[in-house]
Amino acid sequence: GAGVSQSPSNKVTEKGKDVELRCDPISGHTALYWYRQSLGQGLEFLIYFQGNSAPDKSGLPSDRFSAERTGGSVSTLTIQRTQQEDSAVYLCASRRTGGATNYGYTFGSGTRLTVV
Amino acid sequence: AQSVTQLGSHVSVSEGALVLLRCNYSSSVPPYLFWYVQYPNQGLQLLLKYTSAATLVKGINGFEAEFKKSETSFHLTKPSAHMSDAAEYFCAVSTDAGGTSYGKLTFGQGTILTVHP
Repeated sequence: GAGVSQSPSNKVTEKGKDVELRCDPISGHTALYWYRQSLGQGLEFLIYFQGNSAPDKSGLPSDRFSAERTGGSVSTLTIQRTQQEDSAVYLCASRRTGGATNYGYTFGSGTRLTVV
Repeated sequence: AQSVTQLGSHVSVSEGALVLLRCNYSSSVPPYLFWYVQYPNQGLQLLLKYTSAATLVKGINGFEAEFKKSETSFHLTKPSAHMSDAAEYFCAVSTDAGGTSYGKLTFGQGTILTVHP
């Protein structure tokens, strides 16, 4: 597609439930990033996928968080046993690589997760 | 390691006045620098980027930023504010240093710009 697509745009879930957030990057973009945006925490890096390399998971806040990227395209971020502190906007970005990092990052509109 | 500091979480200007949003970075290798804008309930939109070419970078909507290595700064300016500029602005840094942090964006805390008539 023309942009990075994220679904759902809004998700309300009960505490303790699992949720899956989806990101469909721009076709041909080999790098994919997940960020979390919450009040008081700014934009936090969660995880980064680059081609077939092992992902950089250094930003995942706990083992309740996991992500995968199938076929080098669509990515799913899964949060197990959600807690209220998981409430945030989850942003996905993709980027074309093959040279320097000056290729533009394109962000999706995000998924607003509310845990009640 | 890299980091970004945005001075001032809130900036308020009058319509038609100069906009100046401050950003200082820390990076152990030559950085790539970005400014993003976020309107309410929307994603991040790239305003401009510095990629080691010209130090004065022009972006969309009349914004520009100047890379000053000696000051480790990348401040965002616009000569005349419009009401439509009211949004949150994020400065970000990434590197081309290779390794697992290759290309990872590190963001500042954001600056909310208010424009009043």
